Order: sequence, then structure tokens, then C-alpha cells
Amino acid sequence: QKEVEQDPGPLSVPEGAIVSLNCTYSNSAFQYFMWYRQYSRKGPELLMYTYSSGNKEDGRFTAQVDKSSKYISLFIRDSQPSDSATYLCAMSGAAGNKLTFGGGTRVLVKP
Amino acid sequence: SAVISQKPSRDICQRGTSLTIQCQVDSQVTMMFWYRQQPGQSLTLIATANQGSEATYESGFVIDKFPISRPNLTFSTLTVSNMSPEDSSIYLCSVSPNTGELFFGEGSRLTVL
Repeated sequence: QKEVEQDPGPLSVPEGAIVSLNCTYSNSAFQYFMWYRQYSRKGPELLMYTYSSGNKEDGRFTAQVDKSSKYISLFIRDSQPSDSATYLCAMSGAAGNKLTFGGGTRVLVKP
Repeated sequence: SAVISQKPSRDICQRGTSLTIQCQVDSQVTMMFWYRQQPGQSLTLIATANQGSEATYESGFVIDKFPISRPNLTFSTLTVSNMSPEDSSIYLCSVSPNTGELFFGEGSRLTVL
């Protein structure tokens, strides 16, 4: 079993819909949680960074962490075709430590 | 955030040769990491490179195959030695500016024939 599980998709949604992404993990030591967006042939771009449990909102993006369930989510409101990309979750046990990545979910937002 | 430049952005290499990838950061950082992303896969950490000490390699990666240099706080190199087609991947440099976040360069896409 992988340390971080993420549905590979693809997840196809119509433009304007809410995109819901999630990851589950097994290591209770993880405290720092990140979501990255990766366009084809590009490096990962950091979208959201949260520490411990709770919610964080940034524009159209909302990240949620539920440490009791070992479950994290990313929501994208009012999705746009430009949101079509692969989304990777990542986590670590301490600030600046190496990250453990999920496998990534490919998202396609159709106009 | 940090601005990370990688060179080369892509290359096609012959089996048995070696290639050195350079990573330049626009600010001083303690922690630098090298990741590999094989086609259609997620990211796998190769090694952690701290200035002034030997790189720390993850299970499955060895110094003879992936020698790393870290001469100062803004620069690092990763060499992929004696390449085979299985080494065809994107190699990514990343930095953590002591805030917990990890930022990536655009990657170096290697194709080994």
C-alpha cells in the first residue's frame, strides 16, 4: 500500500463546475500538506500549503485537511478550461523535509 | 517563493553517456532536492543536497549513478551517469526556503536512445 493514495482520474467536469480532489494517507506523522498543479511538460506549481488540520481558502481554491481521518481535499470553484492539468497532493512530517507525493489526478475542464 | 532555473530544459542522449543538469536559485536556500518524474508517473525523490555536506540519497538511488554537487547556497548539479533508456525522465530541482513550502524548477526532460 502506498503512503499517499490519489485517484488518477481523469476527472472531467464542465466549465463552471466545482472540481473536488482528495488524497488519503497512512502516516500519522504528516503535518504539512501541499497541492500542486502541473501542466503538461512543466514543473509542478505550488497552489496551496496548509499546516495540520483545518481549511484554507485562496481565491477559487479551498484546501481542507482532516488529520483524524488522514484525508485531504482540494476544491476548485468556478472551474475554467485553464484549470485542466494534473493535480498532485504532497505532504511531509516537518517543515523543509522531503515530500511524499500522491500519484496525481488528471483534471479536464470542458468548455 | 523562489525562482528556480534549470539547464538544460531538454536533451536527447545516447546510451552510456552522462549528462549534468544545473539548478540555479535566485536566493540562498539551505535545502535543495532532486526529484525524478518518469513518464506518466508522480515524483520520486532522488536525493537531498545540503551545502557543505554529502548528498543524502533515497532508497534505490546511489551516488555513483546520480552524483550531486552543492558548491554554494544558490546552485546545485545532478549528473545522470552511464545512461540507459530507463533513465528517460523529467528531472526536477526543488528548494525549500525554510518555510515548509517546496518550489520546483521547470524540469529537465531527458530522452535516452
